Amino acid sequence: DGGITQSPKYLFRKEGQNVTLSCEQNLNHDAMYWYRQDPGQGLRLIYYSQIVNDFQKGDIAEGYSVSREKKESFPLTVTSAQKNPTAFYLCASSLKPGLPSYEQYFGPGTRLTVT
Amino acid sequence: GDSVTQMEGPVTLSEEAFLTINCTYTATGYPSLFWYVQYPGEGLQLLLKATKADDKGSNKGFEATYRKETTSFHLEKGSVQVSDSAVYFCALKEGGGADGLTFGKGTHLIIQP
Repeated sequence: DGGITQSPKYLFRKEGQNVTLSCEQNLNHDAMYWYRQDPGQGLRLIYYSQIVNDFQKGDIAEGYSVSREKKESFPLTVTSAQKNPTAFYLCASSLKPGLPSYEQYFGPGTRLTVT
Repeated sequence: GDSVTQMEGPVTLSEEAFLTINCTYTATGYPSLFWYVQYPGEGLQLLLKATKADDKGSNKGFEATYRKETTSFHLEKGSVQVSDSAVYFCALKEGGGADGLTFGKGTHLIIQP
C-alpha cells in the first residue's frame, strides 16, 4: 500500500541532544512537508521541499534542520537550539506542489518528548 | 496573511444529532479549502475539499460548501455516530506556491451514545 511512514512513533530524548525524525513516502509525490502540532493548536509549518536537494523554511524553522537527498525521504532534525521541542511532529506530502487543489497526505506522526 | 478560524471545542453531541462546525477564513486570493480529521494518536486524514466558490465537498456523510461571500466552509453532518469522535481541522491553500496549508486550531468533537 502507498503511504507515508514515520518512525519511531514515540521518541524520548534528554535536553541538549539532537534527534532525527524519519519520514518516508512511496506515493511518488514531489513535495514533502514537516509540521509541528501542540495541544490545542493547529499545525504549524516547519520546513517544506518541492524537489530533491531543495527545501524552504516554514513559519517556525528555528532550531530545526532538514535534508532531501532522495525523493522518498525527508528527515527532520530537532537540534538542541530548539527551545521547546516536545511536540507531535507530522510529515506530509503532495503530488504537485504548485497546484492549490492538491491535498496533502499525512503520516501517522512522531511524538517527541524531551526532558 | 492567510488565516483560518474554527469554533472552539470541545463540542459534545448525542448520537444521531445534527453537526455543524463553523470555519471562516481570511485570504487574499481564491484558496482551496479542506477539512481534515484526526483520530487520537494518529495523523490527519483528508475528509473533504472544495476548490472554488459554491463547490460542495462531501464524504462519509459530511458536507461543506465553499461560500466566498461569507468566506466560510462550515462542516455539517446530518446524524453523527460515536465513531465520528475526533478532532476536525479546517485548512486552506492559496496560490501556486509550494508552501504548506494554513490550519485552524482544530475542533474536538465528542459524540456520546
